[in-house]
Amino acid sequence: GQQVMQIPQYQHVQEGEDFTTYCNSSTTLSNIQWYKQRPGGHPVFLIQLVKSGEVKKQKRLTFQFGEAKKNSSLHITATQTTDVGTYFCAGRHNAGGTSYGKLTFGQGTILTVHP
Amino acid sequence: DAGVTQSPTHLIKTRGQQVTLRCSPKSGHDTVSWYQQALGQGPQFIFQYYEEEERQRGNFPDRFSGHQFPNYSSELNVNALLLGDSALYLCASSLGARDIQYFGAGTRLSVL
Repeated sequence: GQQVMQIPQYQHVQEGEDFTTYCNSSTTLSNIQWYKQRPGGHPVFLIQLVKSGEVKKQKRLTFQFGEAKKNSSLHITATQTTDVGTYFCAGRHNAGGTSYGKLTFGQGTILTVHP
Repeated sequence: DAGVTQSPTHLIKTRGQQVTLRCSPKSGHDTVSWYQQALGQGPQFIFQYYEEEERQRGNFPDRFSGHQFPNYSSELNVNALLLGDSALYLCASSLGARDIQYFGAGTRLSVL
């Protein structure tokens, strides 16, 4: 079946260090979304990537979509304590068939930032 | 502009019982998706409703069923509860099946 793998599972950093989480799909994705979930909260949409090789930036966050549209990454520059939470990628597989509206989430990367 | 609202916030049931969870989508959205999130895991897709019909379904047994009403709100029903059904149940709404999904705060279900 369609799977989305995300690594690492945990990441502990000192405030000011950079952080990267990686996402890989078993099949080609039509798009990929990234969400942040704070402890005790619900997933909050961050960004959607659609095009092969796409790179998008939001302040200190940089999102990339691979050329083959099977992998993606999220990079945070100079982490802050407000970045704490779990970051999920969620892939939408190619249109048609039974996967049209389904989002497949990765396992998430739990980020801890030490002040 | 109200976001996605879910009720109840928390629920405690015993094995074998049945439960109904409710979701009101974000204003203007017509599609509702339900997810199950076990502790320490990513959300798992249960099913998606559009135009009052189930359009997509994940790998969940028939004990999980749903409904969408004309005002786009939705219910998730789970019959014959098992201990393993304990999880956070998330509702997400969107405009169309493939648009960005906005999540509600979830219903935390505990099965004892």
